[in-house]
Amino acid sequence: GAGVSQSPSNKVTEKGKDVELRCDPISGHTALYWYRQSLGQGLEFLIYFQGNSAPDKSGLPSDRFSAERTGGSVSTLTIQRTQQEDSAVYLCASSPPGGGMNTEAFFGQGTRLTVV
Amino acid sequence: RKEVEQDPGPFNVPEGATVAFNCTYSNSASQSFFWYRQDCRKEPKLLMSVYSSGNEDGRFTAQLNRASQYISLLIRDSKLSDSATYLCVVTPRSNFNKFYFGSGTKLNVKP
Repeated sequence: GAGVSQSPSNKVTEKGKDVELRCDPISGHTALYWYRQSLGQGLEFLIYFQGNSAPDKSGLPSDRFSAERTGGSVSTLTIQRTQQEDSAVYLCASSPPGGGMNTEAFFGQGTRLTVV
Repeated sequence: RKEVEQDPGPFNVPEGATVAFNCTYSNSASQSFFWYRQDCRKEPKLLMSVYSSGNEDGRFTAQLNRASQYISLLIRDSKLSDSATYLCVVTPRSNFNKFYFGSGTKLNVKP
């Protein structure tokens, strides 16, 4: 069955350019998450969606970062005026409705962003 | 202070060894606990949930100590294929859709 799909898998961009990263969650999953993982580091929470709304966007590092989700499905993470410190793997995850205590998060394979 | 802290390792062990990792969490109101596994350049995948009474899945045993705010993962009879980074994950009672990840403990199992 289809898992969480992210595109592009790799993106190299010049400093100062805007980038858009896309996430297609597992069909029927209502919760969607964006995380960032720098080389050798753990996962840094960015934002969480329940349906189309974002009850928690506390992890977005600056106002250059924004995310939206439409139709309760696809989500786009946009980084404006990219900086070299934005280079990382951006991971998207989704989890099914019900949201019980032991809800599992299913991850996509990530987008590796390199800002040069 | 980080929500979740782990020893980064690496833990280098021979095949067949028993190895244990601990993870501490800062929020006493944390509700749910997990171990995820991440292979090099791959996405994290759920290894096992951690239940209050402790739980076992084959060679893997997870324990929770709420009083001391730590969880542990024990791997018996290590296999080469167990080589990976093990991520400790905690969710708060206020929002069990918010997963806090530790930075991971790297395990290398050698022949």
